[in-house]
Amino acid sequence: KNQVEQSPQSLIILEGKNCTLQCNYTVSPFSNLRWYKQDTGRGPVSLTIMTFSENTKSNGRYTATLDADTKQSSLHITASQLSDSASYICVVTLSAGTALIFGKGTTLSVSS
Amino acid sequence: DVKVTQSSRYLVKRTGEKVFLECVQDMDHENMFWYRQDPGLGLRLIYFSYDVKMKEKGDIPEGYSVSREKKERFSLILESASTNQTSMYLCASRIGANYEQYFGPGTRLTVT
Repeated sequence: KNQVEQSPQSLIILEGKNCTLQCNYTVSPFSNLRWYKQDTGRGPVSLTIMTFSENTKSNGRYTATLDADTKQSSLHITASQLSDSASYICVVTLSAGTALIFGKGTTLSVSS
Repeated sequence: DVKVTQSSRYLVKRTGEKVFLECVQDMDHENMFWYRQDPGLGLRLIYFSYDVKMKEKGDIPEGYSVSREKKERFSLILESASTNQTSMYLCASRIGANYEQYFGPGTRLTVT
């Protein structure tokens, strides 16, 4: 069964600290993996996208990694800011791009 | 910039009412989607449309219908609203398969 599992479910960190969110998937055949950020009460916004052949992608303080062999991805946030408080959703696209498999998200709270 | 708009940010309806949620995108995208998002369950696909007048059931279509008469507009219809349809509803669109989905701001629907 195609699944995307994210951990932890929630996370609280102090402003300025780094953190890493995990995404494990069993989706096959795989096309690409995206990380979305969703602020409270808003729609998700794409942060990064990686295809099978890419193993890292950065977007400012956000760096995503992909290990296609172990079917794991991580999103690393550097020097966190209060505005990073949000839900982060990992989404895997099946080959041919027809179906998207969503993780349930990790809720990150950054406190001062 | 891609823009996906939804007709209402907040909506309160009574049980048994017919409810229309409208979504409009301004980038000539072929594909459009309706999701609902509930705490602990993540995003779940209700219906999607690959083109005008085409529709496909997603994972949880029961109690919903859709309409796509024009390329830019995708409507979600709750024929007879029930309390278990209280949720956040998100619309999304994309150019085509394997391309990024752009999400609208969401409609928080409460059925009393």
